[in-house]
Amino acid sequence: KAGVTQTPRYLIKTRGQQVTLSCSPISGHRSVSWYQQTPGQGLQFLFEYFSETQRNKGNFPGRFSGRQFSNSRSEMNVSTLELGDSALYLCASSLGTGYGNTIYFGEGSWLTVV
Amino acid sequence: DQQVKQNSPSLSVQEGRISILNCDYTNSMFDYFLWYKKYPAEGPTFLISISSIKDKNEDGRFTVFLNKSAKHLSLHIVPSQPGDSAVYFCAASGRVEAGGTSYGKLTFGQGTILTVHP
Repeated sequence: KAGVTQTPRYLIKTRGQQVTLSCSPISGHRSVSWYQQTPGQGLQFLFEYFSETQRNKGNFPGRFSGRQFSNSRSEMNVSTLELGDSALYLCASSLGTGYGNTIYFGEGSWLTVV
Repeated sequence: DQQVKQNSPSLSVQEGRISILNCDYTNSMFDYFLWYKKYPAEGPTFLISISSIKDKNEDGRFTVFLNKSAKHLSLHIVPSQPGDSAVYFCAASGRVEAGGTSYGKLTFGQGTILTVHP
């Protein structure tokens, strides 16, 4: 069974540009969440989607947005990139959103903003 | 406000010995806990979890203990192997949002770098 797939794996963008990252969850998983990992802040929750609806949101500015499609695939978008947005962006999926939910992560997308 | 803390940034252990990684949390609404292992440039890999109705869960060489009164959990790896060398993250979830119904948000500790020497 294929794991969580994220594309692209690596990308370099310039300040002020925008970026879109894609995530395909494990087959049958309906919940997708996104995390940002930086050396200073560790792993931080961005948002979670279930059945195309945002269920939870972390403490990130409105420049960070996401969406989920009917096939459970998800995208996240960062507009007006800043140098501090350079990070590993991780997508995770799970069957649902209930208690005892195990969340599985993809390999991540490395974003460098120059 | 760090709700999940791993106070030891690193741990060094000899092959064959026990590795004990610790994690403390402050939010009493957390009721499900997970441990992940992470290699550089890869995503976290799920290891083991425990719900708040238990105080111990075992899976092969990995055992997680939960002390709810102390808001403390630990991961024991016995015996430790060089391939276990990685960063270990503790994560917690729960209905922490008012009226929330989702357990999809994980709050992570800062991680502990485990090095197992041959």
